[in-house]
Amino acid sequence: DAKTTQPNSMESNEEEPVHLPCNHSTISGTDYIHWYRQLPSQGPEYVIHGLTSNVNNRMASLAIAEDRKSSTLILHRATLRDAAVYYCILEPGGSQGNLIFGKGTKLSVKP
Amino acid sequence: NAGVTQTPKFQVLKTGQSMTLQCAQDMNHEYMSWYRQDPGMGLRLIHYSVGAGITDQGEVPNGYNVSRSTTEDFPLRLLSAAPSQTSVYFCASSEGLAGRETQYFGPGTRLLVL
Repeated sequence: DAKTTQPNSMESNEEEPVHLPCNHSTISGTDYIHWYRQLPSQGPEYVIHGLTSNVNNRMASLAIAEDRKSSTLILHRATLRDAAVYYCILEPGGSQGNLIFGKGTKLSVKP
Repeated sequence: NAGVTQTPKFQVLKTGQSMTLQCAQDMNHEYMSWYRQDPGMGLRLIHYSVGAGITDQGEVPNGYNVSRSTTEDFPLRLLSAAPSQTSVYFCASSEGLAGRETQYFGPGTRLLVL
């Protein structure tokens, strides 16, 4: 299964943009890139996903490198409620589509 | 919609006891799954189901049983609890295959096995 590499932790200031990186150099052509986040003492929550093109939704933007070996989750204006662990996940192409979680990046937001 | 619900929220067991963790969803989702999360770790898949009557093993299935008699419910059974099963358990559901559709997670069940 293709793996992802994320920094263990990052810090941001409130109201500033946050760029959360993810490396996935062994990604295959059919793997989707998913981002989930987990707030303290809660279950994971879907953020965004994409295949090749950049994606935007109300929560965030996903920028995918042209070679697809890396991606960046962009939170345009961090709030204190965005403090969470962010997981970058590849869906194994051709499988049952189960998500494989790594350790993620713990984002701290300072007021 | 209540989404994905899990009961109980917290449980303490003694080694060797059995119990069932309940999971229900009211979104008519075909795909359901169980994960466990150990401290400081990501989630690991235990079992999953792609529809009523169909279940399959995930990454860490040993010590757990599942069944899927209805679309709504997907209980997880611990036959003989062990301290190594102390963890937080999350149930999830999605409309289709987990990787192609958004997964919705329940609030979790914290299990402590003494």
